[in-house]
Amino acid sequence: EVQLVESGGGLVQPGGSLRLSCVASGFTFSHSEMNWVRQAPGKGLEWVSYISSSGGSIYYADSVKGRFTISRDNAKNSLYLQMNSLRAEDTAVYYCARDAGAAAGSYFDSWGQGTLVTVSS
Amino acid sequence: DIQMTQSPSTLSASVGDRVTITCRASQSVSNRLAWYQQKPGKAPKVLIYKASSLESGVPSRFSGSGSGTEFTLTISSLQPDDFATYYCQRGVTFGQGTKVEIK
Repeated sequence: EVQLVESGGGLVQPGGSLRLSCVASGFTFSHSEMNWVRQAPGKGLEWVSYISSSGGSIYYADSVKGRFTISRDNAKNSLYLQMNSLRAEDTAVYYCARDAGAAAGSYFDSWGQGTLVTVSS
Repeated sequence: DIQMTQSPSTLSASVGDRVTITCRASQSVSNRLAWYQQKPGKAPKVLIYKASSLESGVPSRFSGSGSGTEFTLTISSLQPDDFATYYCQRGVTFGQGTKVEIK
């Protein structure tokens, strides 16, 4: 069974930093493209970042470019999101999501349970 | 950037109703469109991918159609478990969501 388990969320002051983690199991993580998707309270889904299976290709939403860094450790079956210079508008539940790949239509076929990040003073 | 627009934003329906949600793309996306269901406090769950392919384990009352710029998600007979918010997605862009409420 595919499992994605996020951690690392919490309350942080504006301008602060936080590192999210997502541990994967039940599939070959090193072969899978991965994403972070977030959802602000009461709002819709917003894609945040993508990383290819090797880590060689990385993309970010304009709203986080220059502040967030996605990375992965295939030996540890883990995905990370380093979030710096946090703003109130970054407050959201952050999900890691597996990408089904371009051949399958590039959709998110498995999601973690999410971790809540609150940016407030 | 491609924009995805869903309609309606909210839909009130009864158990047993046939429900249709529409998603329009600002330019052609071929058949590269997925639909998700999300319940409060839970992660989204994929229902349909490549516009009309049913994800494994998803009930057959869910179906998707369309190509190019206009797509539909249909629930043939709404069940109590189906009251939720539905999103379309293409690439890195999601629609704004459609909340299906009890009438």
